[in-house]
Amino acid sequence: ELKVEQNPLFLSMQEGKNYTIYCNYSTTSDRLYWYRQDPGKSLESLFVLLSNGAVKQEGRLMASLDTKARLSTLHITAAVHDLSATYFCAVDNGGSNYKLTFGKGTLLTVNP
Amino acid sequence: GAVVSQHPSRVICKSGTSVKIECRSLDFQATTMFWYRQFPKQSLMLMATSNEGSKATYEQGVEKDKFLINHASLTLSTLTVTSAHPEDSSFYICSATSGVGIAGYTFGSGTRLTVV
Repeated sequence: ELKVEQNPLFLSMQEGKNYTIYCNYSTTSDRLYWYRQDPGKSLESLFVLLSNGAVKQEGRLMASLDTKARLSTLHITAAVHDLSATYFCAVDNGGSNYKLTFGKGTLLTVNP
Repeated sequence: GAVVSQHPSRVICKSGTSVKIECRSLDFQATTMFWYRQFPKQSLMLMATSNEGSKATYEQGVEKDKFLINHASLTLSTLTVTSAHPEDSSFYICSATSGVGIAGYTFGSGTRLTVV
């Protein structure tokens, strides 16, 4: 059974600071996704990482994937209040039987 | 980009009644659709996977007679919560994929179900 572990689960940071959220998973997969969820809303897709070494950046967020280490990171640069949300990583179980397994999520609070 | 429409966004129903939630892929053919449930401050829990024209595959512990899923076309899946009880109150989210890995998964806007 595929397991996805995210840490930290809670992150409170000051505006302007940098931080990294980690996502470890238990079985071989080279399809990993990052989502953002605002309170009361559904998921917003941030990044789709489909190969080892993939790195994608959008604004102050950068995601990377190391399939050998079974690790993905979401790096936040110079955080701003608008980034406050819950961030989920999810891993595809691979093959043709599509199914996502989610981490528990990281609740990010950026304080002014 | 790919869009998935989910309705209703909020619904309040009485205990014992049934509620239907619709999930439509607007600009792509969704070979596979997924239904999730999310409790407050928790992650998404996959309830079932449905492929067009086939019976849904339910996750362990999900009652298939209570949560009826129909995926009659490549653009529409429905989840019916039958004989709803207050403990069924939750946030239900659908997702769809066209089956191509790079396309990823597109999520609907979610349905907040409150059973009173």
